[in-house]
Amino acid sequence: EPEVTQTPSHQVTQMGQEVILRCVPISNHLYFYWYRQILGQKVEFLVSFYNNEISEKSEIFDDQFSVERPDGSNFTLKIRSTKLEDSAMYFCASMADRGSSYEQYFGPGTRLTVT
Amino acid sequence: AQSVTQLGSHVSVSEGALVLLRCNYSSSVPPYLFWYVQYPNQGLQLLLKYTTGATLVKGINGFEAEFKKSETSFHLTKPSAHMSDAAEYFCAVSLYNQGGKLIFGQGTELSVKP
Repeated sequence: EPEVTQTPSHQVTQMGQEVILRCVPISNHLYFYWYRQILGQKVEFLVSFYNNEISEKSEIFDDQFSVERPDGSNFTLKIRSTKLEDSAMYFCASMADRGSSYEQYFGPGTRLTVT
Repeated sequence: AQSVTQLGSHVSVSEGALVLLRCNYSSSVPPYLFWYVQYPNQGLQLLLKYTTGATLVKGINGFEAEFKKSETSFHLTKPSAHMSDAAEYFCAVSLYNQGGKLIFGQGTELSVKP
């Protein structure tokens, strides 16, 4: 069964450093998403991506964040200058198309720890 | 703007007892509704969804949920809890005209006692 994969599973970085979180969505999916979950809190939407551009972003997704689909298979989230409050689990998700079941498939997540 | 409220951050039941996890939503247009389960140190797995049609939907692992428009609710139930059901459960809403982003509730941690 196809699945969304994410690497690394755990990333530790120092405050101010740049990190890139990688995701490989399901191959025939068209919509891509990043969410984050701060420890003990709910899952929050960050950004959606369709047709090689951002379709929607939340207020959390400020200028330090960017997303890219560099090669037609990977989907990356870059955090330019990490802050302590960026420590969270980051989930990637993909969806086939809006005319389908609207079902998003989630990856296992990357746990980002900023020290 | 849409929102999701899950009543009870922690629910504890005995093995074999009924599981009831509550979810209420707020939306200006008919939403699509989802329940996801998260086992420790794992990602989110879809349990079931309501988009259109029959308001009682069945999902994996014996769970089901009923969409009640008049009550703006989408409660999750399972007749008989199993130890393996212990996990975090998230209710989520999506709007057709908003590109599919999911808005999640705060989550309910389900504990199952032997």
